[in-house]
Order: sequence, then structure tokens, then C-alpha cells
Amino acid sequence: SYELTQPPSVSVSPGQTARITCSGDALPKQYAYWYQQKPGQAPVLVIYKDSERPSGIPERFSGSSSGTTVTLTISGVQAEDEADYYCQSADSSGTYKVFGGGTKLTVL
Amino acid sequence: EVQLVESGGGLVQPGGSLRLSCAASGFTFSSYEMNWVRQAPGKGLEWVSYISSSGSTIYYADSVKGRFTISRDNAKNSLYLQMNSLRAEDTAVYYCARESPYSSGSLGYWGQGTLVTVSS
Repeated sequence: SYELTQPPSVSVSPGQTARITCSGDALPKQYAYWYQQKPGQAPVLVIYKDSERPSGIPERFSGSSSGTTVTLTISGVQAEDEADYYCQSADSSGTYKVFGGGTKLTVL
Repeated sequence: EVQLVESGGGLVQPGGSLRLSCAASGFTFSSYEMNWVRQAPGKGLEWVSYISSSGSTIYYADSVKGRFTISRDNAKNSLYLQMNSLRAEDTAVYYCARESPYSSGSLGYWGQGTLVTVSS
């Protein structure tokens, strides 16, 4: 079955830039989406269609795509950004949604 | 305001059944595709099932195919997940999620989830 691969953890100091990658063979054909999940809360969509930001999401969140890898970038990280981040896409047919394993962002 | 409220979770024995419900409000339910997503304790998100706005198209993850059935009642603004032949590995918080208005491939609104525990 199709898989998306994320690093388990990323650590940055406040004010620095955090980059979280997500790799998958179908990413050149399928859009990627990113979700933020804080403990005890439901996920929140922070990036859609690889690089678009929903209204209400801070400008420090951005997304990019290159080949089989997509990247979530958080510029000027703040303490409140500490959370788990999940990429999501679909298999090559577009039928089945798939989530990456998640990346825990720690703000030092 | 979009609201999704799940119910029906609880403790069930292996091999048992449970029916989850998701009550939707604040939007025209019949116009949107819906999904179930689950999260085992301390683990990541796993997509479970999708249903189109009319209910005519349905997809399942391989892990639940043949055991779970997704359905919807647009007149009642409700989404359902019938879970049969439950296993310990089905233990998770189950979220209902609505497709985002920005992109139908993404999940823009989520409920708070309902916990299903499969244990003897």
C-alpha cells in the first residue's frame, strides 16, 4: 500500500525556521496537504494544494513541492507552533487518502 | 459555524459491533463529501473511509474493508460508521471530517472525536 514518509521529530529554537519533509512516489501527481495537531485536539488544516494557506493560518506557514517530496516550512517559529504535523495526500489513482506518520515539532 | 459532533464510541469486546454517528450542522450537509479518520492512542492519523455527497461513491482503507460500512442520511444531516468484527487494533479515537471548501482532497473541518476501545 502507498506510504508517505516524514521524519519522526524536528527541533528548532524560537525565531528559527522549521522544515518538515514528506516523501511519496505519487506526490508529483497528487496534491499534498498539511495538518497541525496539538495534544487532545483535532487536527487543523494549515496548507492545502501543496502551498496554499487557508484563511486564518499565519503567514509564517508555507508549503512547497519538488518531485517526490513536499515541505512544510514554518518561519520565525513560536512556542505555540509546538505540535504534531501530518502530511496527507492520495494514492496515484486519487482514490485513497493517505497520511504520513507525523512529525513532532519541538520548540526548544 | 460548522460543527461536527461524533457519538457512539465506547468499550466493545473483540468480534463485537459498534455504530458511530456524526451530527453535522452549520453547513449544507448534502453538498459535501465526508470521511472517517482514526487515531490509535499515541499514534498517527489513519484515513478510514470516504463517502461522496450523494452517498453513491464509497471508499475504504484496506485495514477495514469488509468489516466497516460508511453511510449518510442527508435528511438528518448525519454520517455513520458501522463497525463489525472489531479487533484490538481498531482501538482509536474516530473523527468525522468534512472535505475542505478549498480543495476536495483535504479535510477542512473535524469533530472532536469519539473513543472506541476494543478489549475483553
